[in-house]
Amino acid sequence: LAKTTQPPSMEAYEGQEVNVSCSHTNIATSEYIYWYRQVPHQGPQFIIQGYKDYVVNEVASLFISADRKLSTLSLPWVSLRDAAVYYCIVTGDSNYQLIWGSGTKLIIKP
Amino acid sequence: DTTVKQNPRYKLARVGKPVNLICSQTMNHDTMYWYQKKPNQAPKLLLFYYDKILNREADTFEKFQSSRPNNSFCSLYIGSAGLEYSAMYLCASSRTANTEVFFGKGTRLTVV
Repeated sequence: LAKTTQPPSMEAYEGQEVNVSCSHTNIATSEYIYWYRQVPHQGPQFIIQGYKDYVVNEVASLFISADRKLSTLSLPWVSLRDAAVYYCIVTGDSNYQLIWGSGTKLIIKP
Repeated sequence: DTTVKQNPRYKLARVGKPVNLICSQTMNHDTMYWYQKKPNQAPKLLLFYYDKILNREADTFEKFQSSRPNNSFCSLYIGSAGLEYSAMYLCASSRTANTEVFFGKGTRLTVV
């Protein structure tokens, strides 16, 4: 089962672009990479998923290294509402279990 | 409606008493999950249903039970609550494997 490693916390100012990295050195060829975020008193919220290369949606971009061992979530123009714990997740071998990393707490300064 | 609904949002229970948490979704998802989350820890998968088949994690096998009488509804049952059960319980659902998982807002259980 792949494990993920993320920085425990990051700080940024409003309006900055934030890049959160995640290492998943043992990712299997069948596994996908997901990013979720959780604000206090709420359930986790899906942000983006990818398998390789580059994925973009209206919320974020996801860059995945060629060997798929590293991914970077990019949040453009962060605001105070983006303050949350960001989780990098890979699917488990069963394809149903999400294997959660320790999360990165993103602190936004006004 | 892409929401997963959980009731209640907050629950207080006595040690040794049973606890029943309720979750529902109307997205016709095949899979429903229950996670336990404690402060400063990642969510921990307790069990999940794929259709009518229940899968429980080995280390929580005897502590939690669940029921899914229909596609939309799933409950989490604790027969005898202990102090260590105090946590946020998150229900989630997904259409199938490798698809987006939708989470409810959680039920915060406090056992005293």
